[in-house]
Amino acid sequence: SYVLTQPPSVSVAPGKTARITCGGNNIGSKSVHWYQQKPGQAPVLVIYYDSDRPSGIPERFSGSNSGNTATLTISRVEAGDEADYYCQVWDSSSDHQVFGGGTKLTVL
Amino acid sequence: EVQLLESGGGLVQPGGSLRLSCAASGFTFSSYAVSWVRQAPGKGLEWVSGISGSGGSTHYADSVKGRFTISRDNSKNTLYLQMNSLRAEDTAVYYCAKGSAGVVAATTFDYWGQGTLVTVSS
Repeated sequence: SYVLTQPPSVSVAPGKTARITCGGNNIGSKSVHWYQQKPGQAPVLVIYYDSDRPSGIPERFSGSNSGNTATLTISRVEAGDEADYYCQVWDSSSDHQVFGGGTKLTVL
Repeated sequence: EVQLLESGGGLVQPGGSLRLSCAASGFTFSSYAVSWVRQAPGKGLEWVSGISGSGGSTHYADSVKGRFTISRDNSKNTLYLQMNSLRAEDTAVYYCAKGSAGVVAATTFDYWGQGTLVTVSS
């Protein structure tokens, strides 16, 4: 089955840029979606189809996808961005939705 | 406003059964696929099962195939998950998630419910 690999944690100072990666075999050929989950809350979609932002999501959130790595980039990080972030793809070979293991973003 | 409200969670013994429901509102329910996604305590997200808008196509994670059954009643705008032969490792918060299209494949989850907790323990 298809595996998505994320770093367990990323730390960044306020005002700096955070980059969270999602690795998978030829992931560039798939559509990648990203979710933010704060403690005790349901996940929220922040990026879909690699780089599109839902309404209400700040422009500071952006995404890219190429080769074997997709990246969620958060510019001008704020304390309120501290959360767990998950990537997700559809694996057509198994007909399964697949989530990465999640990355905890800590704002220093 | 899109709303998804899960219910039916609770404490069940290993080997037991439970039926979850997800009441949807604020969108044309029959036009969109919906899925169940679970999260074990302190762990990440795991997709469990998905069903197309018409109900004609279903998909299951390997971990639940043969034990769980997903279904929907488009006349009641409600999604279900029948869970049989429950195991301790099925303990999790179960979320209902709306797909962005009528098929389960290659879609994103644009709205989520608040989840219902299922605990499998003796």
